[in-house]
Amino acid sequence: QVQLVQSGAEVKKPGASVTVSCKASGFSFNIYGLSWVRQAPGQGLEWLGWISAFKATTYYTQNFQGRVAMTTDTSTSTAYLELRGLRSDDTAMYFCARTQFSSTLPFYLDYWGQGTLVTVSS
Amino acid sequence: EPVLTQSPGTLSLSPGERATLSCRASQSVSSSYLAWYQQKPGQAPRLLIYGASSRATGIPDRFTGSVSGTDFTLTISRLEPEDFGLYYCQQYGWSSLIFGGGTKVEI
Repeated sequence: QVQLVQSGAEVKKPGASVTVSCKASGFSFNIYGLSWVRQAPGQGLEWLGWISAFKATTYYTQNFQGRVAMTTDTSTSTAYLELRGLRSDDTAMYFCARTQFSSTLPFYLDYWGQGTLVTVSS
Repeated sequence: EPVLTQSPGTLSLSPGERATLSCRASQSVSSSYLAWYQQKPGQAPRLLIYGASSRATGIPDRFTGSVSGTDFTLTISRLEPEDFGLYYCQQYGWSSLIFGGGTKVEI
C-alpha cells in the first residue's frame, strides 16, 4: 500500500535551518509529484510548494521563495524539505503529500505523510 | 491569487443528519478543479473528493461533491460518528494549490 513516512520532530532555534524527510513506498516514486504542506497550531493548511520526482523540477510559493528547498533522492524514494532562517512563526506540523499533476501544474494530494512537528524556540 | 471561502465555520449536527458544506471560489480555472479533505485531530488530512465530484479510493458514497459555477458543495448524506472533524476544500489548475479556511463539523 502507498505509504509516506516522515522523520521525527525537531526543535530549532531562530535563524537555524531544518530538514524534514519523507520516505515513500508502495508506488513508483518517479512518476508522481510531492508537495509539502504545513499547519500551524490551531490553524488551517498552507501549501509550501512541490517537486516533480521525475524531472526534479520545483515550484515554491512566493511566501517561501529564497528560504525553502525541496529535493528528492530517487534511489531511496525519499523527498526532503529544507527550511532556512527559521522564525517562531514557522512552528508548525509539516506534511508531505503525494501529488497528482498534469503537465507542470499540481492537482490534488492523494496520500499524506503522518506529519513532522517543527518547533522554533529560543 | 484566487481565494476560497468556506462556510459555515462550524456546523453542529447529530449522527444521522445531513451535512452541507460550502466552498466559494473567487475565480476558477475550471469548474471541476476542486478537492475536499477531511482531517481528524492529530491526524493528517485525507483526500475525500477530487475533480469536484469524484470520490477518492475507499471513500463511502455518503460523501458527495457537487458544483454550480464557482460554488462547490460537499454533502454528507447521513453523518456517522467518524465523520466529525475538519473539512478543507482545495483548488487547483493554478501554479499554486490553494486551501480554504476549513469547516468544523461537530457533534
